[in-house]
Amino acid sequence: DAGVTQSPTHLIKTRGQHVTLRCSPISGHKSVSWYQQVLGQGPQFIFQYYEKEERGRGNFPDRFSARQFPNYSSELNVNALLLGDSALYLCASSSWTGRVGNTIYFGEGSWLTVV
Amino acid sequence: AQKITQTQPGMFVQEKEAVTLDCTYDTSDPSYGLFWYKQPSSGEMIFLIYQGSYDQQNATEGRYSLNFQKARKSANLVISASQLGDSAMYFCAMREGRGGKLIFGQGTELSVKP
Repeated sequence: DAGVTQSPTHLIKTRGQHVTLRCSPISGHKSVSWYQQVLGQGPQFIFQYYEKEERGRGNFPDRFSARQFPNYSSELNVNALLLGDSALYLCASSSWTGRVGNTIYFGEGSWLTVV
Repeated sequence: AQKITQTQPGMFVQEKEAVTLDCTYDTSDPSYGLFWYKQPSSGEMIFLIYQGSYDQQNATEGRYSLNFQKARKSANLVISASQLGDSAMYFCAMREGRGGKLIFGQGTELSVKP
């Protein structure tokens, strides 16, 4: 079975541009979460979506948005890119039934560089 | 306040020896889960092991075991018989209650020496 897949794996954008990152969860998983990991730090939670609804949002500006599609895949959009948005963006997938025990699996990430 | 603390920025271990990576956590929620992930330089976050707050026994997965001490709020990862391929960043993370959000520590960089 395929794991969590993310695209693109690497991209370079210019300040002020917009970027869209994509994620396909593990088959059967309905929850997708997004995390930002800057160099030297642990990942920071951005969003969680479950059954196409936003279920949680981290402390990120409104330039960050996301959505989940009927097939449970997800997009993370970032507008008006800043140099500080340069990071590894990780997508996480889980079956999440609201129980603490559901294991969370991550994709390989999308490396975003803003110049 | 830090909810997940990993006090060892870097660790060295000899190949074939065991190593313990420390993790302490802080939560007032009686229901929580603790995770350990391995992150090689490629960036992928690889799930290693999970411990639920109500689990009676310490979790084990192959060479990985979790030393869960609830009263001390610690969830240390033990890797037995270290291999060169174990060299990577290791992150401890917690999920509180019914939420879907993981809170990560700062990570520990493990280097395995031949």
